[in-house]
Amino acid sequence: DTEVTQTPKHLVMGMTNKKSLKCEQHMGHRAMYWYKQKAKKPPELMFVYSYEKLSINESVPSRFSPECPNSSLLNLHLHALQPEDSALYLCASRPVQGGNEQFFGPGTRLTVL
Amino acid sequence: GQQVMQIPQYQHVQEGEDFTTYCNSSTTLSNIQWYKQRPGGHPVFLIQLVKSGEVKKQKRLTFQFGEAKKNSSLHITATQTTDVGTYFCAGPSDSWGKFQFGAGTQVVVTP
Repeated sequence: DTEVTQTPKHLVMGMTNKKSLKCEQHMGHRAMYWYKQKAKKPPELMFVYSYEKLSINESVPSRFSPECPNSSLLNLHLHALQPEDSALYLCASRPVQGGNEQFFGPGTRLTVL
Repeated sequence: GQQVMQIPQYQHVQEGEDFTTYCNSSTTLSNIQWYKQRPGGHPVFLIQLVKSGEVKKQKRLTFQFGEAKKNSSLHITATQTTDVGTYFCAGPSDSWGKFQFGAGTQVVVTP
């Protein structure tokens, strides 16, 4: 299995809602990433987990809360988002040892009303 | 901090023509990766370059890493409509596991 899955594919939420994005991989990769991508822009790093521990937080607002419950799963909990948070949220994984290839999931298209 | 710059940001190509996209870093890179993102899709890894002056080919795509390991290029020959998408370069950044993406080159192909 060489893919990263993400659910849901699309999400529309109000500014007072609480929702979660889910990412899963079964490649044994121990580094997992959350990126935010706006239209016509490169992916923008949000969080990096290494061996299920948060290793990088790119000064992301606390309304985004990541969680890595085990080596295969990565969640992003959303609360009190703003319309400017609307974007494509991409999950990626890579092995800690070896090459730098990142395997990206298909993303969750988030719209905040 | 380290910056990765990519040009052009937009490339309009006639089918059958060649084009090149360039990536430049403000610092020496230990390696560089290239990704392709189709419209409505997600980034897909194409290749990694590690050695100074390295050249790698994938069918009509030729990737180069500069001698000083501060620049890289992707050259596509005989462009096809399947080449449509945005091509990103990415290099390792200051923290382990962190990568800096270039702005991307959006390629549009006219039949």
